[in-house]
Amino acid sequence: EDQVTQSPEALRLQEGESSSLNCSYTVSGLRGLFWYRQDPGKGPEFLFTLYSAGEEKEKERLKATLTKKESFLHITAPKPEDSATYLCAAPSGNTGKLIFGQGTTLQVKP
Amino acid sequence: DVKVTQSSRYLVKRTGEKVFLECVQDMDHENMFWYRQDPGLGLRLIYFSYDVKMKEKGDIPEGYSVSREKKERFSLILESASTNQTSMYLCASGLAVQETQYFGPGTRLLVL
Repeated sequence: EDQVTQSPEALRLQEGESSSLNCSYTVSGLRGLFWYRQDPGKGPEFLFTLYSAGEEKEKERLKATLTKKESFLHITAPKPEDSATYLCAAPSGNTGKLIFGQGTTLQVKP
Repeated sequence: DVKVTQSSRYLVKRTGEKVFLECVQDMDHENMFWYRQDPGLGLRLIYFSYDVKMKEKGDIPEGYSVSREKKERFSLILESASTNQTSMYLCASGLAVQETQYFGPGTRLLVL
């Protein structure tokens, strides 16, 4: 069964304290790994799509990487405005249905 | 920029009412999806559509139906709302199976 698992569930950082979020997946024939940011009460906002092992993408303080078993979202020198829940997801089967992880809720304190 | 809009941000309905949630996307995407999001359960797929008038059940279709009469619109219908359908409902659209899905702002539905 296809599965996506994120860790940790929650992460508290001080402003400027870099860290990484993990997304482990077991998906047959991976056809993309997606990262989203979700603020409370809002819909997920697209961040990155990664398609193959070794691929990396960056946006401001965020960098996403992909291996054959997991993806990491690295946050460098985070700011309080980076506080949000970060979701990863992968398409399952031929339907485009996304399998989501449970998310990592990040809190960055000033 | 991709834009997915949902008809309401907040809705309060009574048990037994018929509820319509509408989603519109402006990117000519083939695929559209309805999810619900609940604390501790994450996002779960209710229904999706890969073409006009086509629909497929997701993981939790019971108590819901959908309609896609035009490519840009995908409606979720609760035939007879129940309290266990209180949730955040999220619509998404995407170009192809393995392409990124873009989400709307969500509708928070409370059924009393």
